[in-house]
Amino acid sequence: GQSLEQPSEVTAVEGAIVQINCTYQTSGFYGLSWYQQHDGGAPTFLSYNGLDGLEETGRFSSFLSRSDSYGYLLLQELQMKDSASYFCAAGGDSSYKLIFGSGTRLLVRP
Amino acid sequence: DAGITQSPRHKVTETGTPVTLRCHQTENHRYMYWYRQDPGHGLRLIHYSYGVKDTDKGEVSDGYSVSRSKTEDFLLTLESATSSQTSVYFCAISDSGTGTSPLHFGNGTRLTVT
Repeated sequence: GQSLEQPSEVTAVEGAIVQINCTYQTSGFYGLSWYQQHDGGAPTFLSYNGLDGLEETGRFSSFLSRSDSYGYLLLQELQMKDSASYFCAAGGDSSYKLIFGSGTRLLVRP
Repeated sequence: DAGITQSPRHKVTETGTPVTLRCHQTENHRYMYWYRQDPGHGLRLIHYSYGVKDTDKGEVSDGYSVSRSKTEDFLLTLESATSSQTSVYFCAISDSGTGTSPLHFGNGTRLTVT
């Protein structure tokens, strides 16, 4: 089976850096994705790591370590609009299931 | 934005009635997914499809069935709705079944079972 664990809530100050962790357990693994969801909206894709290491997209970076079954999303220069829920997701057992973590709610304070 | 439409957007129904939610895409993507979202549970996979007439169960499939008779449409049916199925339902599409390509989500269907 598959499971992904992430913290339920994180609070940070505007302009700061925050890291959201995700640990996963899967019988097979292709890569780790991250999605953002604002209240009342649909999830939107942020990043994907298929290989170990850091992927950078503007203020957002994502990291993967396959040996540790661990990844994180790093948000820099936090803005108020970054207040949202963030989900890690993975596919990978013998099927085409794409499973999500339970989400981390990020609150950015002034 | 990816062409994906869910209908209806909102529905209120009574316990014991059948309900069908529709997901329609114009992207010709092979993979389609139904998720439900509830507070504290994130997005949970109900069923998914990897081609026309090819479907499989997800994490929380009991009480749900799906059909995909053509590439563009993926239907989710609640055979006999229960209050525990009150939720927000999201459809998603992708051209990859392994997560290597992004999932594109519809705007969701808010279902209330009274």
